[in-house]
Amino acid sequence: NAGVTQTPKFRVLKTGQSMTLLCAQDMNHEYMYWYRQDPGMGLRLIHYSVGEGTTAKGEVPDGYNVSRLKKQNFLLGLESAAPSQTSVYFCASRSSGSEVFGPGTRLTVL
Amino acid sequence: GENVEQHPSTLSVQEGDSAVIKCTYSDSASNYFPWYKQELGKGPQLIIDIRSNVGEKKDQRIAVTLNKTAKHFSLHITETQPEDSAVYFCAASMNDFGNEKLTFGTGTRLTIIP
Repeated sequence: NAGVTQTPKFRVLKTGQSMTLLCAQDMNHEYMYWYRQDPGMGLRLIHYSVGEGTTAKGEVPDGYNVSRLKKQNFLLGLESAAPSQTSVYFCASRSSGSEVFGPGTRLTVL
Repeated sequence: GENVEQHPSTLSVQEGDSAVIKCTYSDSASNYFPWYKQELGKGPQLIIDIRSNVGEKKDQRIAVTLNKTAKHFSLHITETQPEDSAVYFCAASMNDFGNEKLTFGTGTRLTIIP
């Protein structure tokens, strides 16, 4: 039981490049979330999904897109990366009760 | 939407002393309040949670208290140890179908001084 895994762990992009972050969970959780964590700002919700095939905007969705084609996977896309998107990105999943977090992806946009 | 405020932002205590972190929330409909611990380079991990039908919950050295009337909840760590050093986040949600989002506080960096 791996829990929540994230790929990649680290990435450096140039401004304007695109990339996809992958989140996978093996706990059969319905709900999945993408957060970004910046110093002094805690965890801010980017997008979330309440089930396969559904997505919704969170607190800071601009510049990101998501897809949930399979229940176990939640993808976060950056179409045209900007330096303001330099952050640590966390995925989480949940059935009832608390969220289980992945180990994070550290993204730097130059 | 929900707004969660957390204080203090940093806290240093001597090993063996107690630490208290406080959070307030704005939405009276919130009924689920978890606390997360985040160690350096890792994702947040749930350490304790409480629902609105109880006022206090304890798990060994960790306890959480909830005052729904005042809309605040607190984390208490007793007999602190060096491994308690981490960033702690509080959160709140309504935990109802259609609104399964947690709103987090901005975190407290706890340092235990040996």
